[in-house]
Amino acid sequence: EDQVTQSPEALRLQEGESSSLNCSYTVSGLRGLFWYRQDPGKGPEFLFTLYSAGEEKEKERLKATLTKKESFLHITAPKPEDSATYLCAVQEGSNYQLIWGAGTKLIIKP
Amino acid sequence: DADVTQTPRNRITKTGKRIMLECSQTKGHDRMYWYRQDPGLGLRLIYYSFDVKDINKGEISDGYSVSRQAQAKFSLSLESAIPNQTALYFCATGGSSYEQYFGPGTRLTVT
Repeated sequence: EDQVTQSPEALRLQEGESSSLNCSYTVSGLRGLFWYRQDPGKGPEFLFTLYSAGEEKEKERLKATLTKKESFLHITAPKPEDSATYLCAVQEGSNYQLIWGAGTKLIIKP
Repeated sequence: DADVTQTPRNRITKTGKRIMLECSQTKGHDRMYWYRQDPGLGLRLIYYSFDVKDINKGEISDGYSVSRQAQAKFSLSLESAIPNQTALYFCATGGSSYEQYFGPGTRLTVT
């Protein structure tokens, strides 16, 4: 069964303390892996798409990487405004439906 | 102006009532989606549409119906609302590289 698992469920960091969020997946043919940010009560905001192992994308303090079995979202020197839930989703083959992970809630304390 | 809009943003209704949630987009995308989000369960797909004449069920379509009135409009209906349909509902559109863009959501409470 195709699955997307995100870990940890929640992560509390001090401002400036770098860390990584994990998204592991089991799909037979990865077409794309997507990262989103979601603030409470709001719609998910698209961040990155990764297509193949070894690919990296960066945006401000965030960097997403991809291997054949997982993706990492690295956050460098985070600020309180980076606090949000980060969602990962994968697309398999030509299927337009995305398989979603449950998310990691990131809390950055000042 | 937002690319994907949803109305209403909040709705409280009673068990058994029929309600409609509306979604409009200005992104020019053909693909549109309806999701519900519950705490701890993540996003679950209700229905999706590739164009006005192509509508498909998602993993949790029971108790819901949809209408694609135009490329830019996709509505979700609850024919007879029940309390376990209390959730946050999102509309999304599909981009050219398969990423999806979400609306602000509708918080629905069924009492």
